[in-house]
Amino acid sequence: DAMVIQNPRYQVTQFGKPVTLSCSQTLNHNVMYWYQQKSSQAPKLLFHYYDKDFNNEADTPDNFQSRRPNTSFCFLDIRSPGLGDAAMYLCATSRARGTGADTQYFGPGTRLTVL
Amino acid sequence: GQNIDQPTEMTATEGAIVQINCTYQTSGFNGLFWYQQHAGEAPTFLSYNVLDGLEEKGRFSSFLSRSKGYSYLLLKELQMKDSASYLCAAMDSNYQLIWGAGTKLIIKP
Repeated sequence: DAMVIQNPRYQVTQFGKPVTLSCSQTLNHNVMYWYQQKSSQAPKLLFHYYDKDFNNEADTPDNFQSRRPNTSFCFLDIRSPGLGDAAMYLCATSRARGTGADTQYFGPGTRLTVL
Repeated sequence: GQNIDQPTEMTATEGAIVQINCTYQTSGFNGLFWYQQHAGEAPTFLSYNVLDGLEEKGRFSSFLSRSKGYSYLLLKELQMKDSASYLCAAMDSNYQLIWGAGTKLIIKP
């Protein structure tokens, strides 16, 4: 089945220790997104890739970086996690970006705990 | 600014009908999405409306009024598995999704 996969599902890191979250997709979608979601809050878009074009949201901290080496994979790097970065990190994909019908499909998420 | 408003929490009874409302203010509009999110899981797509009116999909229906900046999600014949958060998201003129914080729906037997 075509899908969006995130690894790991649960990640525990120490304050200040870099961590990388991964996302892969078999949908062959052009756009990949990274969201941060804290409990009972709306998902917050961190950045997205349209093919290889990287788009950073204005309020995304520099501590968050992303890589997309190919169509299928996208990584979220948190260079120095703080306690406030503990959250669920959601990867999503869409076929395109530029029509209202381009639904975003989400992976299962990675729950990050910072000790 | 851009904003989505939806109730924080609602309670309903198994077998009943519930309507979850959402109002939005966005710079331009390219449609409205509803997602379901069970606790600790990712959002799953439920519906998309871009034209005024009601779209029905089995037990779930979604309504849109563009002139009022208003949408609702209607859930019929509620089942315990419908207990979840329901997220409303409007797409603005830049095709960016503006998300609500979600409505937590509690179903009681």
